[in-house]
Amino acid sequence: DAKTTQPNSMESNEEEPVHLPCNHSTISGTDYIHWYRQLPSQGPEYVIHGLTSNVNNRMASLAIAEDRKSSTLILHRATLRDAAVYYCILRDGDYGGSQGNLIFGKGTKLSVKP
Amino acid sequence: GAGVSQSPSNKVTEKGKDVELRCDPISGHTALYWYRQSLGQGLEFLIYFQGNSAPDKSGLPSDRFSAERTGGSVSTLTIQRTQQEDSAVYLCASSLHWAANYEQYFGPGTRLTVT
Repeated sequence: DAKTTQPNSMESNEEEPVHLPCNHSTISGTDYIHWYRQLPSQGPEYVIHGLTSNVNNRMASLAIAEDRKSSTLILHRATLRDAAVYYCILRDGDYGGSQGNLIFGKGTKLSVKP
Repeated sequence: GAGVSQSPSNKVTEKGKDVELRCDPISGHTALYWYRQSLGQGLEFLIYFQGNSAPDKSGLPSDRFSAERTGGSVSTLTIQRTQQEDSAVYLCASSLHWAANYEQYFGPGTRLTVT
């Protein structure tokens, strides 16, 4: 699976929007962009995923660059509960080349200040 | 609905003993994954199941580790002759399908401590 690059840490204020960047310059045409987060002392939690178009769900929005070499996870109004490590992961949609597991990097540790 | 459950939540064992960790996936999910997270380390993939079969076991760290899944549901991860370096949180996840556009749902994990 192609590699992703994320900042080690970010800070945000409660109630403000947060933009978490991810670079994936070697992304292939069949790679899906997934985001997961891990709250302290919990298992990872799915956030959102997309292929080419921007995506919205109840948790967040995913903005994908036109060349797909980068993406941004957007939390519209950060809460204290959003403090977590956020992982940007590429998953190969080519069934012949993928075994389906997630490859986690170090992610971005998001701190939210009240 | 019910999520992924794992048992036990905590397990303390002596070096050299065998342990079994259990995962109950979400009903109807055909794909099941095992990961582990050591203290201060990232999440490491161990093995996954498509139904009852494990197409690739290369993620298992040694031959002391084995896993099985029966009836397309419950999975057990067994560690024989545990070592201190096996201490970690073992996480199970399930997914409706193993394809790349399906999300994985994680359980709360089993914290294994080898003394």
